[in-house]
Amino acid sequence: DAKTTQPNSMESNEEEPVHLPCNHSTISGTDYIHWYRQLPSQGPEYVIHGLTSNVNNRMASLAIAEDRKSSTLILHRATLRDAAVYYCILRSGATNKLIFGTGTLLAVQP
Amino acid sequence: GAGVSQSPSNKVTEKGKDVELRCDPISGHTALYWYRQSLGQGLEFLIYFQGNSAPDKSGLPSDRFSAERTGGSVSTLTIQRTQQEDSAVYLCASSPQLRGRTDTQYFGPGTRLTVL
Repeated sequence: DAKTTQPNSMESNEEEPVHLPCNHSTISGTDYIHWYRQLPSQGPEYVIHGLTSNVNNRMASLAIAEDRKSSTLILHRATLRDAAVYYCILRSGATNKLIFGTGTLLAVQP
Repeated sequence: GAGVSQSPSNKVTEKGKDVELRCDPISGHTALYWYRQSLGQGLEFLIYFQGNSAPDKSGLPSDRFSAERTGGSVSTLTIQRTQQEDSAVYLCASSPQLRGRTDTQYFGPGTRLTVL
């Protein structure tokens, strides 16, 4: 599976938007981009996924660069409950497992 | 509906003892995964079940680790002769396995294993 690169940590203020970047320069044409997050003392939870077009759901938005070598997870209004480690993961058809990197630890300040 | 459940939530054992960790996936989910999360290694894949068979066991760290799944539902991860480096949170996930690359995995709360 292609590798992803994320900043180790980011900080945000409550009720402000947060943009979490992910680089995946070796992505293949059939790889989907998935985001999961892990709140403290919990298992990971699915956030969003996409292939080429930008995606929106109730939790977040996913903006995918035109060349697909990077993507950005957007939390429109951060809350204290959004403090978590956010993982950007590429999914190919060759494997069913999730390969987690180190993720981005998001801190949200009141 | 009910999510993925795991038991026990915490397990403390002595070095050399065997332990069994249980996972109850979401009803109807055909795929089941085990991962572990330790301080030094992050989140790593252990094994994947499709139904009762395990087409991918590539993440099991040694032959002391084994897992089975019965009736296409409950799974048990067994660690024999536990070592201190086995201390970690063991996470189970399940998915409906509709389409691999877009399939969402649903995680349980994990079992925290401490080997003294």
